[in-house]
Amino acid sequence: RKEVEQDPGPFNVPEGATVAFNCTYSNSASQSFFWYRQDCRKEPKLLMSVYSSGNEDGRFTAQLNRASQYISLLIRDSKLSDSATYLCVVNMRSGGYNKLIFGAGTRLAVHP
Amino acid sequence: ETGVTQTPRHLVMGMTNKKSLKCEQHLGHNAMYWYKQSAKKPLELMFVYNFKEQTENNSVPSRFSPECPNSSHLFLHLHTLQPEDSALYLCASSQDYPTGRNTDTQYFGPGTRLTVL
Repeated sequence: RKEVEQDPGPFNVPEGATVAFNCTYSNSASQSFFWYRQDCRKEPKLLMSVYSSGNEDGRFTAQLNRASQYISLLIRDSKLSDSATYLCVVNMRSGGYNKLIFGAGTRLAVHP
Repeated sequence: ETGVTQTPRHLVMGMTNKKSLKCEQHLGHNAMYWYKQSAKKPLELMFVYNFKEQTENNSVPSRFSPECPNSSHLFLHLHTLQPEDSALYLCASSQDYPTGRNTDTQYFGPGTRLTVL
């Protein structure tokens, strides 16, 4: 079983749509969680951290369910500029340092 | 934004060449990382340097040799690579606390796109 699993997509949605991505992780000792965004042929950039209580940043909402080992990202009112690959990332602190485990990413394509 | 820079941005090399990738971070961080991203695969962690000490070598073949002379610079020395080593090599940095305080956001450089012929 992969350590971090995501639906690869692509999710093709019209502008203005609401879209949700899910991610599951295998190690219950995982300590912190993130969503990164990666544009084509560019480096990953932090979109948001995911807190136990859930958190919102503008059109983006992240949720964490530790019992089910499940993380979600909701994007409301999609924009063309949201087209990218969204990476679910889990931090396994090990041996005194941080070790990020990346999912393979979910591709989002927003069309006019 | 130039918090983490990498050179070169593109590199084509033969299997018998020796080359080096360079990463520099201007964020005052104390941990640096090398990742490999192959087509349609997740990022794979290769090496971690924490306070300039290598703390992770993720079963990487010896043809990849990292060097961290100080907390701002990280190199990846390459020799006798194989075509399957062609990938995007990403460097990242973070501020890591020995006490495990949760400041673990990693910032990535733009990457070096490597092609091995």
